[in-house]
Amino acid sequence: QVQLHQWGAGLLKPSETLSLTCVVSGESFSGYYWSWIRQPPGKGLEWIAEIIYSGSTNYNPSLKSRVSISIDTSKNQFSLKVTSVTAADTAVYYCARRQLRKDWFDPWGQGTLVTVSS
Amino acid sequence: EIVLTQSPATLSLSPGERATLSCRASQSVSTSLAWYQQKPGQAPRLLIYDASNRATGIPGRFSGSGSGTDFTLTISSLEPEDFAVYYCQQRTDWLFTFGPGTKVDVK
Repeated sequence: QVQLHQWGAGLLKPSETLSLTCVVSGESFSGYYWSWIRQPPGKGLEWIAEIIYSGSTNYNPSLKSRVSISIDTSKNQFSLKVTSVTAADTAVYYCARRQLRKDWFDPWGQGTLVTVSS
Repeated sequence: EIVLTQSPATLSLSPGERATLSCRASQSVSTSLAWYQQKPGQAPRLLIYDASNRATGIPGRFSGSGSGTDFTLTISSLEPEDFAVYYCQQRTDWLFTFGPGTKVDVK
């Protein structure tokens, strides 16, 4: 059964770069889209970006200028970078899988709380 | 961008009661709509995809219906573990959006 395990720095200062990684185990890494989704404390969910094993990417236009998603197929992992973070980027960040030609996310990683504070 | 609205914001019910949650899209999404359940401190869990298909392992008391702009998630008889927040989600082109959620709490 596929499992997603994520990690990254949990406390950042304003203007720093957020960096998170998600490793996939238990199933083939290819043939899927891999996404990052975030949730500010007490609020709803926001899709950030996705990448497929070939390296093709899609970004939420509202975040595209500060976000970069990358993939390392040799390690079955993908990563997220968000530059110039502010307090508004404080959220739990989730990685998740989407099948080709499907529109939903399943499964999700355990989530990583990233706090931006001076 | 298609906006999803969910109602009510909070639904207060007792175990055993029927829960009916609504999700409305600002434009037609056909049947490209999913529902998720989220409990405190946990990641969302897929319940329903393509508006009416239960995900693997989801109990039969959960059902989804609708198409176009109006969708419904029904929990036929609430179990104690069903009290949670429920989100709908759609995809249009290369953008995915979520509704603001409905919290189902104990009356």
